[in-house]
Amino acid sequence: ETGVTQTPRHLVMGMTNKKSLKCEQHLGHNAMYWYKQSAKKPLELMFVYNFKEQTENNSVPSRFSPECPNSSHLFLHLHTLQPEDSALYLCASSPKIEDRGLYEQYFGPGTRLTVT
Amino acid sequence: AQSVTQLDSHVSVSEGTPVLLRCNYSSSYSPSLFWYVQHPNKGLQLLLKYTSAATLVKGINGFEAEFKKSETSFHLTKPSAHMSDAAEYFCVVSEVGSNTGKLIFGQGTTLQVKP
Repeated sequence: ETGVTQTPRHLVMGMTNKKSLKCEQHLGHNAMYWYKQSAKKPLELMFVYNFKEQTENNSVPSRFSPECPNSSHLFLHLHTLQPEDSALYLCASSPKIEDRGLYEQYFGPGTRLTVT
Repeated sequence: AQSVTQLDSHVSVSEGTPVLLRCNYSSSYSPSLFWYVQHPNKGLQLLLKYTSAATLVKGINGFEAEFKKSETSFHLTKPSAHMSDAAEYFCVVSEVGSNTGKLIFGQGTTLQVKP
């Protein structure tokens, strides 16, 4: 596979469930990102990992727990979510985090999450 | 701090006519600017990027954008719209001067292409 892949593509879960979203990049990049995209709102950056180390947590509730075991894989563990957490969750990667911001990010297709 | 404003939330054109999607930015530094496209239920795809080289940037699918520092603009254009161009378009500025790799997204412009 090429680019950035995400599984599952669709997920329906109850508020008491625990589930995980998976992202894998095949681009040899070192930085990975989680975004939340809700209807009528701009993309919200959630977490940033650079060389497997978390460099940013954008005030995300603890019911979202990221994990980055290596530079190619990124997970988002979900538990006791709320209906307002329903959204499209996008993963992205870039070569690295660079101070002058020259690197674009490459996005996966997203996971459409519905919390019932 | 950097910011980006997309001046139109919705643009409608007829197939075969020109496309103009407007974007203004605010930045204290020389910014890196991008345009991304998102088709329904898909991720974001990079159309083009500006990183202080040529001010006229050519991207994929016939799109191009011109960086105008005096106007703080980075408008996206295409000479002739195709039905497959119907999508959401995002103007993005990279946050310079930090080590977070953060991208700042505009609100998005929905492009409708009529037959």
